Amino acid sequence: RKEVEQDPGPFNVPEGATVAFNCTYSNSASQSFFWYRQDCRKEPKLLMSVYSSGNEDGRFTAQLNRASQYISLLIRDSKLSDSATYLCVVNRGGNDMRFGAGTRLTVKP
Amino acid sequence: GAVVSQHPSWVICKSGTSVKIECRSLDFQATTMFWYRQFPKQSLMLMATSNEGSKATYEQGVEKDKFLINHASLTLSTLTVTSAHPEDSSFYICSASIGERIDGYTFGSGTRLTVV
Repeated sequence: RKEVEQDPGPFNVPEGATVAFNCTYSNSASQSFFWYRQDCRKEPKLLMSVYSSGNEDGRFTAQLNRASQYISLLIRDSKLSDSATYLCVVNRGGNDMRFGAGTRLTVKP
Repeated sequence: GAVVSQHPSWVICKSGTSVKIECRSLDFQATTMFWYRQFPKQSLMLMATSNEGSKATYEQGVEKDKFLINHASLTLSTLTVTSAHPEDSSFYICSASIGERIDGYTFGSGTRLTVV
């Protein structure tokens, strides 16, 4: 079993839709959690950190459930520019980051 | 913010040759740098952790004699793919860290290696 699991998608949604991605992790000692965005043939870029209390950044909301070892990302009012692969990233501590395989999102006009 | 420069962006080489990839932290000193590899439609896989002035720590299954890592200064780490084969063709990405951080860190722009 992979340490960080994501639904690979693809998710194809119309502009303006709300879409949610899920991620599970197996190492219960994991310390911090992130969502990264990766465009085709580019490096990943940090989208947002994920906190236990849940956090929001504009149209993006991230949730963490430590008991279930589950992380989510919600995107509201999808834009064409949101099309990308979203990576769930888990820090096991000491800069040891583990990446999910990513969920591909395509937002269509 | 922290900037990590990586080059070359892409390289095509013949089987059996060696390729060197550089990763530089431009506006900070990176005590630790990380090298990842990503095959198409797969996740980033950590290859090795590079600490300035000491030997790199390789992940299980990564051949240290094939993927030579040098971190001679606080701003530069290099990855050399020796005797490259077509199966080494991949997207190689570095990232750098300032000491012990628990927040997300910055990646280089990646190097697309094609071995023919």
